[in-house]
Amino acid sequence: GENVEQHPSTLSVQEGDSAVIKCTYSDSASNYFPWYKQELGKGPQLIIDIRSNVGEKKDQRIAVTLNKTAKHFSLHITETQPEDSAVYFCAASIGTSGSRLTFGEGTQLTVNP
Amino acid sequence: GAVVSQHPSRVICKSGTSVKIECRSLDFQATTMFWYRQFPKKSLMLMATSNEGSKATYEQGVEKDKFLINHASLTLSTLTVTSAHPEDSSFYICSAPDGVYGYTFGSGTRLTVV
Repeated sequence: GENVEQHPSTLSVQEGDSAVIKCTYSDSASNYFPWYKQELGKGPQLIIDIRSNVGEKKDQRIAVTLNKTAKHFSLHITETQPEDSAVYFCAASIGTSGSRLTFGEGTQLTVNP
Repeated sequence: GAVVSQHPSRVICKSGTSVKIECRSLDFQATTMFWYRQFPKKSLMLMATSNEGSKATYEQGVEKDKFLINHASLTLSTLTVTSAHPEDSSFYICSAPDGVYGYTFGSGTRLTVV
């Protein structure tokens, strides 16, 4: 089955700096790659996603890049703010939304004011 | 956007009792519901997948008799933890596909068994 690896497990940055989280996946059939933000005691919230026919997607301070050849995708957060502090998960899915998501192990991002 | 309402958000129960967790899709039909378990500082672990009107599919190692899943309608799926024990204490999260690719997650249920 699909395997998703995520690095780093923890990331500490100063407010205003950029943060990058990287994920690799194993199954070349995966075609949907969402990123979730999870705050303590809450469910994951989608922050951005990318599909296999696109190499990059941006939404204000957040961007995701996808390299299907290398089977990796990355989350980029610019101008980080303390409220960006949370756990971030990458995930991968094969086929339509009825397919299961495989999650990475998560990255604890801390933005220091 | 699509919303999955999960209740209760927190529950404390005594060992040996059963607890039911509900997930309702509020503005879309959830033909499929994924149920996850999450330990502190860990990732989401898929427990089972339920489809409306049919039996749930459980992941390897998940006790189907302990974690009963019912998906009787297109808007409601339930997870019942039967004869709960302290080791069942965890954060349980449901998720439903809400479109061609997207998934919507519930807010989670913190179960504590004492």
